[in-house]
Amino acid sequence: TAGITQAPTSQILAAGRSMTLRCTQDMRHNAMYWYRQDLGLGLRLIHYSNTAGTTGKGEVPDGYSVSRANTDDFPLTLASAVPSQTSVYFCASSDSYEQFFGPGTRLTVL
Amino acid sequence: RKEVEQDPGPFNVPEGATVAFNCTYSNSASQSFFWYRQDCRKEPKLLMSVYSSGNEDGRFTAQLNRASQYISLLIRDSKLSDSATYLCVVTVGGYQKVTFGTGTKLQVIP
Repeated sequence: TAGITQAPTSQILAAGRSMTLRCTQDMRHNAMYWYRQDLGLGLRLIHYSNTAGTTGKGEVPDGYSVSRANTDDFPLTLASAVPSQTSVYFCASSDSYEQFFGPGTRLTVL
Repeated sequence: RKEVEQDPGPFNVPEGATVAFNCTYSNSASQSFFWYRQDCRKEPKLLMSVYSSGNEDGRFTAQLNRASQYISLLIRDSKLSDSATYLCVVTVGGYQKVTFGTGTKLQVIP
């Protein structure tokens, strides 16, 4: 079982460019999440989705958008990247209280 | 005050030692509590849930103190493989309102 996959593994992006981080799960979990992890700040929730077709804002949603067209996929889009969006991005899914995380995407915005 | 606070460490302990971490939370309505483990440059993974009656899993014991609003993790007979960052996780009102602590780093020394 693959669990959760994320792509790309890492990326260097010029400021002002757009980018979509991909996340796919094969566990048929209803809930999915996007976090960013920064040194000293821990994991912070960007957006979440309780079920296909619905999304919600987390703690730090500005500059990011998500969609949930189906159960398996939950892409995160940066419309116009800024250097402060340099971070490690984790996607997660759950069907209860335990969250299962993808391997992360390391994004550098220059 | 942060919703969830942890001592960042690092805690440097010799193999075989017993080590304990605490995590405090500010919201008295918090309902569920967990410890996650995160290895360097990897995704977080659930270590154990924390129940009101306490929870033991091999060398690991988790406790909850609702009156003082903290949870603890005790590791006995530390192994080199226990070296990681331990994240405290608190949920309020359902599994989309999940707050991660910034983590406590443990380094077990030969």
